Amino acid sequence: EAQVTQNPRYLITVTGKKLTVTCSQNMNHEYMSWYRQDPGLGLRQIYYSMNVEVTDKGDVPEGYKVSRKEKRNFPLILESPSPNQTSLYFCASSRQVQETQYFGPGTRLLVL
Amino acid sequence: QKEVEQNSGPLSVPEGAIASLNCTYSDRGSQSFFWYRQYSGKSPELIMSIYSNGDKEDGRFTAQLNKASQYVSLLIRDSQPSDSATYLCAVNPSGNTGKLIFGQGTTLQVKP
Repeated sequence: EAQVTQNPRYLITVTGKKLTVTCSQNMNHEYMSWYRQDPGLGLRQIYYSMNVEVTDKGDVPEGYKVSRKEKRNFPLILESPSPNQTSLYFCASSRQVQETQYFGPGTRLLVL
Repeated sequence: QKEVEQNSGPLSVPEGAIASLNCTYSDRGSQSFFWYRQYSGKSPELIMSIYSNGDKEDGRFTAQLNKASQYVSLLIRDSQPSDSATYLCAVNPSGNTGKLIFGQGTTLQVKP
């Protein structure tokens, strides 16, 4: 089944404790992206990757890191999480940015 | 001015009516436009994409794009209670960029 998977789905952590949210797709898509969704603010793009080893900042990259060492995986790293990073995070992939993006199930993060 | 703007609603229509959802964008050179639907607690899923001026129809859904006026709309004919969701407008801005900018979404309620 073609899909985007994210892990974990739910995470409670404390300020400053490094964490990684994994994202994997099995559709051989070139493009992958991370978003956060907050009430009243909609979906905001954190980072995106047009291809392996190519990543770029979205609108809200501060406090996040990503890597794209292989086509299928695009992990999101929070080196020192803070409470303002409490949010719902979505990973998405597509063949190209101009085409349909397929979203993962979301990761709900709470930073205490 | 926000780059992509939508009325947050809620927009309430009776079952069987036409629902009209609107979106304006600020980057005149934007090339690709998308409508996503998001049910509460779920991931966004693509309804329509549109790339050139005019109308594009798919079943009960019609997307309309007017680049001169910088707006894109989504019409839902014969609205059903199952159409009740948040509708997200997304725009790929000009330049060879992987950015995708979402509006904050419009909540649609279809009342039986």
